[in-house]
Amino acid sequence: DAKTTQPTSMDCAEGRAANLPCNHSTISGNEYVYWYRQIHSQGPQYIIHGLKNNETNEMASLIITEDRKSSTLILPHATLRDTAVYYCIVRNAGGTSYGKLTFGQGTILTVHP
Amino acid sequence: DSGVTQTPKHLITATGQRVTLRCSPRSGDLSVYWYQQSLDQGLQFLIQYYNGEERAKGNILERFSAQQFPDLHSELNLSSLELGDSALYFCASSAGHGTKEIYGYTFGSGTRLTVV
Repeated sequence: DAKTTQPTSMDCAEGRAANLPCNHSTISGNEYVYWYRQIHSQGPQYIIHGLKNNETNEMASLIITEDRKSSTLILPHATLRDTAVYYCIVRNAGGTSYGKLTFGQGTILTVHP
Repeated sequence: DSGVTQTPKHLITATGQRVTLRCSPRSGDLSVYWYQQSLDQGLQFLIQYYNGEERAKGNILERFSAQQFPDLHSELNLSSLELGDSALYFCASSAGHGTKEIYGYTFGSGTRLTVV
């Protein structure tokens, strides 16, 4: 699976948008971008995934660049409960074979009042 | 509630002992994954089972073993425990096949193992 690079930590004011970047310059054509988050020792929680189109769900938006070498997770109105470690993961999803999720160090997002 | 059930939530045991961690996957999921998270290591993939068979192995020690039963629940056995085995152990499940697999994993709330 392709390697990802994320900033170690980021801060955001409550109510503002949180934009979390991720570089995955070696991503291959059949790899999806996934975002998970882990809130203080709880099990990681799925947020969103995408292949090449931008995606939006009730939790967040995912913007993937046209060359797919980077992406941004957007939490449109961050709350204190969004304070967590956010993981960007690329995962092989070619054909019927799906690779395991490999977690890096992630970005510690701290939302301030 | 994610639908993935892990028991026990907490476990304290002595060095040299053996413990069993249990995981019930989300209804309909055929794949089970085990991860270890210690303070200095992050989330480390241990092993994956699909419909009762081992599918992938990660950094799992020889003292650790796992299995998935016909009812799809899984157990992770940790033996000859050492202080360094103290960690959070997470189980995750996924469809394992078909279009639902694209949504990735659902994690349980974990078992916190403390070896004293």
